[in-house]
Amino acid sequence: DAGVTQSPTHLIKTRGQQVTLRCSPKSGHDTVSWYQQALGQGPQFIFQYYEEEERQRGNFPDRFSGHQFPNYSSELNVNALLLGDSALYLCASSPVDNEQFFGPGTRLTVL
Amino acid sequence: AQSVTQLDSQVPVFEEAPVELRCNYSSSVSVYLFWYVQYPNQGLQLLLKYLSGSTLVKGINGFEAEFNKSQTSFHLRKPSVHISDTAEYFCAVKGFQKLVFGTGTRLLVSP
Repeated sequence: DAGVTQSPTHLIKTRGQQVTLRCSPKSGHDTVSWYQQALGQGPQFIFQYYEEEERQRGNFPDRFSGHQFPNYSSELNVNALLLGDSALYLCASSPVDNEQFFGPGTRLTVL
Repeated sequence: AQSVTQLDSQVPVFEEAPVELRCNYSSSVSVYLFWYVQYPNQGLQLLLKYLSGSTLVKGINGFEAEFNKSQTSFHLRKPSVHISDTAEYFCAVKGFQKLVFGTGTRLLVSP
């Protein structure tokens, strides 16, 4: 049984560009959460998707948006990239309101 | 609102020595607490969790933690560490549909 998978592993973008990160949840999980982990910090909650709807959102600007597909996979989109968006982006999946399982993350570098 | 404080940013210890990583939490609702480990360039792996019941929780890799409601603490312990335990450790409290993480403690095990 594959765990949570994320793609790509690494990504380099320049300021002002847009990026899309992808996440496939663990089999049987219908809820996907996204976290941003800046260097030397703990993960910060961005938002959570359930039944293709954004269920809750953390303190992130509207430049951060997401989507969940009928097969429960999810995308995180970030527009107008800033240097400060450089971070490890973690996806976590869970059965609704249950323990979250994390993927390996996507390392985004903004130059 | 929920919050977590990890009091030590770095803990150096010699191999086979005991270790304690400290975590204090704040929560206005039912308390669900977690410890995750992050190895270099990897995602988060769940070590153990407290949901209810016994205040002493045993996890993987020989780790355990004790939930202390009066001191609002959830310290992580291991009686004898290995070189392979070198990693970043995060304490987290479950908020409404999300995890709130501390800033992490880097455990450095040397021979």
